[in-house]
Amino acid sequence: DVKVTQSSRYLVKRTGEKVFLECVQDMDHENMFWYRQDPGLGLRLIYFSYDVKMKEKGDIPEGYSVSREKKERFSLILESASTNQTSMYLCATSGQGASNGYTFGSGTRLTVV
Amino acid sequence: SQQGEEDPQALSIQEGENATMNCSYKTSINNLQWYRQNSGRGLVHLILIRSNEREKHSGRLRVTLDTSKKSSSLLITASRAADTASYFCATEPPSGGGADGLTFGKGTHLIIQP
Repeated sequence: DVKVTQSSRYLVKRTGEKVFLECVQDMDHENMFWYRQDPGLGLRLIYFSYDVKMKEKGDIPEGYSVSREKKERFSLILESASTNQTSMYLCATSGQGASNGYTFGSGTRLTVV
Repeated sequence: SQQGEEDPQALSIQEGENATMNCSYKTSINNLQWYRQNSGRGLVHLILIRSNEREKHSGRLRVTLDTSKKSSSLLITASRAADTASYFCATEPPSGGGADGLTFGKGTHLIIQP
């Protein structure tokens, strides 16, 4: 089974801090995604990557950046954390064609105080 | 922008009954997928139905797709307490390939009463 690991389950950061959320997959999946999930808003796509060093903006990229230096690792960066970035962050991966759907990590619940 | 919208937002039924959730979407799709999320956890892929398919089964799950109405339904038969979770539909754009990201609805919260 594909395993997607997010480095932290819970994280508390201060306003203005630079925050790194890490996602690592143990299969050879080309595509990786970062979503945030908020009550009443569902899941919204922040950034995605379909290859090493490639990145594409999703629906809500403002305030975020990403890094994909290796195929198995996709990092989400909050350059200067703000309270409105308090959320559940979900990483997902898919192979070519995605015929088996996406595989999600367990999520990181980030609180910015 | 949200593509899928699930209906109802919440559903509570007795164990053993069938649960039906609906999803409507707005634009053309390559496929539609259903996911389950247990409280505070990541999403788990349940089933995928392609735009040229009308019905698909997997165990106790039955999914239908009506592209003319831009809607889908998920039926869980003989529900169990362990089915208590939130269920999301997600659509993949016509470009397909799995690289462009899925668009998710806001989910249906299903509660199975023992």
